[in-house]
Amino acid sequence: EAQVTQNPRYLITVTGKKLTVTCSQNMNHEYMSWYRQDPGLGLRQIYYSMNVEVTDKGDVPEGYKVSRKEKRNFPLILESPSPNQTSLYFCASRGVRGPHNTEAFFGQGTRLTVV
Amino acid sequence: GNSVTQMEGPVTLSEEAFLTINCTYTATGYPSLFWYVQYPGEGLQLLLKATKADDKGSNKGFEATYRKETTSFHLEKGSVQVSDSAVYFCALSRNQAGTALIFGKGTTLSVSS
Repeated sequence: EAQVTQNPRYLITVTGKKLTVTCSQNMNHEYMSWYRQDPGLGLRQIYYSMNVEVTDKGDVPEGYKVSRKEKRNFPLILESPSPNQTSLYFCASRGVRGPHNTEAFFGQGTRLTVV
Repeated sequence: GNSVTQMEGPVTLSEEAFLTINCTYTATGYPSLFWYVQYPGEGLQLLLKATKADDKGSNKGFEATYRKETTSFHLEKGSVQVSDSAVYFCALSRNQAGTALIFGKGTTLSVSS
């Protein structure tokens, strides 16, 4: 079954304690990205990756890091979380080959609370 | 720059009512347009898409037509069901490869029986 898997689904942490949210896809997609979803703001892109070892900033990258060492994995790293990073996070992947845009597959989401 | 504007919610309807959720966009070039749906506690799923002007995307009774002259991609359904209650996001792709999606803020639909 084609899927994007995020872990954990729920996380409560304290300010300043480093954390990693993992994302893995089994569709051999080149493109992966992270979004955060906040009330009244919709989804905003944090970082994206066009392929292994290729990452770039999205619209709201401050306070986040990513890495893409393998094609299937795209972890989101918060080196020093702050309360304004409390949000619902989604990982997504899609293929980029062919003349038309292909469907983006989303993970189930990670609800992060920073206290 | 590129952006998507959706009608504000929430939208509250009775079962079997007609649904329209408005979406307009601003973009350079020729973006592809999407509607995604998010059911409670779940991630986003693609509902339908259109890749060029005058294309009509359809799925599960929902339809949307890519109108370049009005830069719109309104979502419609003739008869909603309780199970359609969800948050609906309009989105566009930034470039030809369709890699980056720009989302609207989402419209919450609540359908009562």
